[in-house]
Amino acid sequence: QQQVKQSPQSLIVQKGGISIINCAYENTAFDYFPWYQQFPGKGPALLIAIRPDVSEKKEGRFTISFNKSAKQFSLHIMDSQPGDSATYFCAASRDGGFKTIFGAGTRLFVKA
Amino acid sequence: ETGVTQTPRHLVMGMTNKKSLKCEQHLGHNAMYWYKQSAKKPLELMFVYNFKEQTENNSVPSRFSPECPNSSHLFLHLHTLQPEDSALYLCASSQGREGGRDGNTIYFGEGSWLTVV
Repeated sequence: QQQVKQSPQSLIVQKGGISIINCAYENTAFDYFPWYQQFPGKGPALLIAIRPDVSEKKEGRFTISFNKSAKQFSLHIMDSQPGDSATYFCAASRDGGFKTIFGAGTRLFVKA
Repeated sequence: ETGVTQTPRHLVMGMTNKKSLKCEQHLGHNAMYWYKQSAKKPLELMFVYNFKEQTENNSVPSRFSPECPNSSHLFLHLHTLQPEDSALYLCASSQGREGGRDGNTIYFGEGSWLTVV
């Protein structure tokens, strides 16, 4: 009930390609689904987030697609750049962040 | 600058030492967290404080002792640690339940790298 399953564990994409990371959750009580980006030596930082009342949110090259019935959501990075190389964590949250469950992370490497 | 400051950034300690990690948030948030990040478990919640009251202790061993004197400061006191406790310790904050629709966003510090020898 409390798990968030993230895949793939690692991803290599050519510069200019599309990076896709998928997550699935179980507990329908979650009401906020953020993605965090973490560079080496830094803490995770909020990248983009979505609430279950919308199916898609786009910010620049980053898009979240949300499928409420399937309890799945994904991050799409369009025109991937070497600077996007980082670890990405999806999360499911409720209760003001007190109940935030993170996925296991995806290490993305964008080849120049 | 994330608004959450952690010190020290790096710490090496022996198994018999006592040390503390410090965290300060400048975001006016009500909730503060300690997370542990390692290769085995990428983001593992340890403790949660809301308005300086502990609301969650995620079955953390007693050799880790948190302290939250006010809503802006959080400490993690360390004593008689084990080598397997070596990890990145992340402090974070959020607005909490009182933050409305934006209350769920967690803001992390840059972490304190701990090595136990």
